Amino acid sequence: GESVGLHLPTLSVQEGDNSIINCAYSNSASDYFIWYKQESGKGPQFIIDIRSNMDKRQGQRVTVLLNKTVKHLSLQIAATQPGDSAVYFCAETPWGSGSARQLTFGSGTQLTVLP
Amino acid sequence: DAGVTQSPTHLIKTRGQHVTLRCSPISGHKSVSWYQQVLGQGPQFIFQYYEKEERGRGNFPDRFSARQFPNYSSELNVNALLLGDSALYLCASSLVLPGLAGVNYNEQFFGPGTRLTVL
Repeated sequence: GESVGLHLPTLSVQEGDNSIINCAYSNSASDYFIWYKQESGKGPQFIIDIRSNMDKRQGQRVTVLLNKTVKHLSLQIAATQPGDSAVYFCAETPWGSGSARQLTFGSGTQLTVLP
Repeated sequence: DAGVTQSPTHLIKTRGQHVTLRCSPISGHKSVSWYQQVLGQGPQFIFQYYEKEERGRGNFPDRFSARQFPNYSSELNVNALLLGDSALYLCASSLVLPGLAGVNYNEQFFGPGTRLTVL
């Protein structure tokens, strides 16, 4: 779920295991969703996106699932590696229709990969 | 290739002061967006510029202003600083406006940010 203030949700996984990071969104008008990874001291880095006309999309070691009925998004990371340790954010926006759209970010989940 | 650069890296100001943050987009990129990231939270959209024109503004007070120069670099200005303005300020650049039909956010790149501390 989402957190408020300084307490990021945390997820610790063993190296080699699969990770699942969840995100709830609230705007019914959002139809484009993105997952970002943010390492300490760096800006967010795009991981994968999904449009609302899809419920699943796969990338390299990552899969995003979208459940529009319950406004829920998840990011699955296969065979989690130490380099995956970071804060992960979901972001949402209404898709473009001639005007630029702005991103709304969630509050993030801290993923820690244990050796 | 150089990525998005921001200056300064860190900055300490006192309440009531003014601050200017700078962003240089990736060469050839014409759109710059600014975000504020308070510790422990996700980035929050402040401004978006494309071809030197403001194309979007988030829910921030008028103390926040920005501009984009002919070389597509950008400045974010914050007047009358408050303690609550302490945050990481992120700049993101893209070739064109992200979010337009057919343009994906995987073509938008973030800089490392400027850490502003207001005492």
